[in-house]
Amino acid sequence: AQSVTQLDSHVSVSEGTPVLLRCNYSSSYSPSLFWYVQHPNKGLQLLLKYTSAATLVKGINGFEAEFKKSETSFHLTKPSAHMSDAAEYFCVQGGDSNYQLIWGAGTKLIIKP
Amino acid sequence: DAGVTQSPTHLIKTRGQQVTLRCSPISGHKSVSWYQQVLGQGPQFIFQYYEKEERGRGNFPDRFSARQFPNYSSELNVNALLLGDSALYLCASNLDRGHRTGNTIYFGEGSWLTVV
Repeated sequence: AQSVTQLDSHVSVSEGTPVLLRCNYSSSYSPSLFWYVQHPNKGLQLLLKYTSAATLVKGINGFEAEFKKSETSFHLTKPSAHMSDAAEYFCVQGGDSNYQLIWGAGTKLIIKP
Repeated sequence: DAGVTQSPTHLIKTRGQQVTLRCSPISGHKSVSWYQQVLGQGPQFIFQYYEKEERGRGNFPDRFSARQFPNYSSELNVNALLLGDSALYLCASNLDRGHRTGNTIYFGEGSWLTVV
């Protein structure tokens, strides 16, 4: 069965320092991959998506992710964390069925002042 | 433009009761999907409807049902509620059937269901 693994349940960084949220996906010929963010008491917002175009994907709010097929990884990065980045981040893979999304368990990003 | 709207935002039910949750997709979007998100976990897929037909179903019991109306809005029904049904129920709206087209899938803010 397909699965998405987010390697850290919590990541804590200081404001102004880089952010790295790690994700490994299930091997697939041509995966669709996404990162979503969920702020407390808010809905899910798409940060970025990979759909077989450039391997380095730029998203909103300064986030980007790099698709590495050899490592089956799709890690999310940001050069400089901001307090407003504190939220839960989900790595998501499109399933073999067109309708299904497979979600990681989430990584809670904590920003220290 | 309005995003994905869900109602109610919060509700409390007792075990054994039935609940109906509602979702209005973004205008022009024909696909609605439902997800259950238990506290501390990622969303789990329940149903997808496209053009008023069920196109996909996750691993949920028959107590869960849904439908899509001609205006593409949708309802999720859960019968015989259990304590374990307490969760955030999310509705997702998509222009077409699925993720492979590359269209963005938009989510509502969800309906918080507490079963006591």
